[in-house]
Amino acid sequence: DIQMTQSPSSLSASVGDRVTISCRASQSISSYLSWYQQIPGKAPKLLIYAASSLQSGVPSRFSGAESGTDFTLTISSLEPEDFATYYCQQSSTTPYTFGQGTKLEIK
Amino acid sequence: QVQLVESGGGVVQPGRSLRLSCAASGFTFSNYAMHWVRQAPGRGLEWLALMSYDGNKKYYRDSVKGRFTISRDNSKNTLYLQMNSLRVEDTAVYYCARDSGLRGLDQWGQGALVTVSS
Repeated sequence: DIQMTQSPSSLSASVGDRVTISCRASQSISSYLSWYQQIPGKAPKLLIYAASSLQSGVPSRFSGAESGTDFTLTISSLEPEDFATYYCQQSSTTPYTFGQGTKLEIK
Repeated sequence: QVQLVESGGGVVQPGRSLRLSCAASGFTFSNYAMHWVRQAPGRGLEWLALMSYDGNKKYYRDSVKGRFTISRDNSKNTLYLQMNSLRVEDTAVYYCARDSGLRGLDQWGQGALVTVSS
């Protein structure tokens, strides 16, 4: 199975901060990488697909990038509603594995 | 609007079976591959299974292969997950999700809680 390693596992930041979350694949996944946001008690929400494409309706402060097997999710200026847990997921090869998650908390 | 609604969750004893349903509306269900994903209490997301739009292809994670079966009825716009030989570690919220075709899961249900306990 392809392992997805996210870092950091948790992050404290303030409204207005720029934050970056990383995800590394254990082997090549091309651009088959998605990012999700999950608020406690709610279903995940797709933010980014194909590594860097913004899902319809998602604010432009969210962006994704890739470099080989390394992927990043950047939030350019945190809003109060962005404090949540973020997951990456590869969809190159089944099983479509998720990263372990990054919990973004208010500082 | 697009809607996915899971049902069939509940409390079940270890070794027993349960079938989850996911009723789809607001889109052409038969055009989309569908997934099941679960989340154990306080844990991360775990992908379980994928079924192609026409039901001809199925894929599973190893830990549920042979115990869980994904299926769909396109005439009823419904996805299913038959879970047999349930274990305590299968306790989780189970989500169905739509594959966007660009390989992101773009629509999710609200989740169905399955508790496996004696």
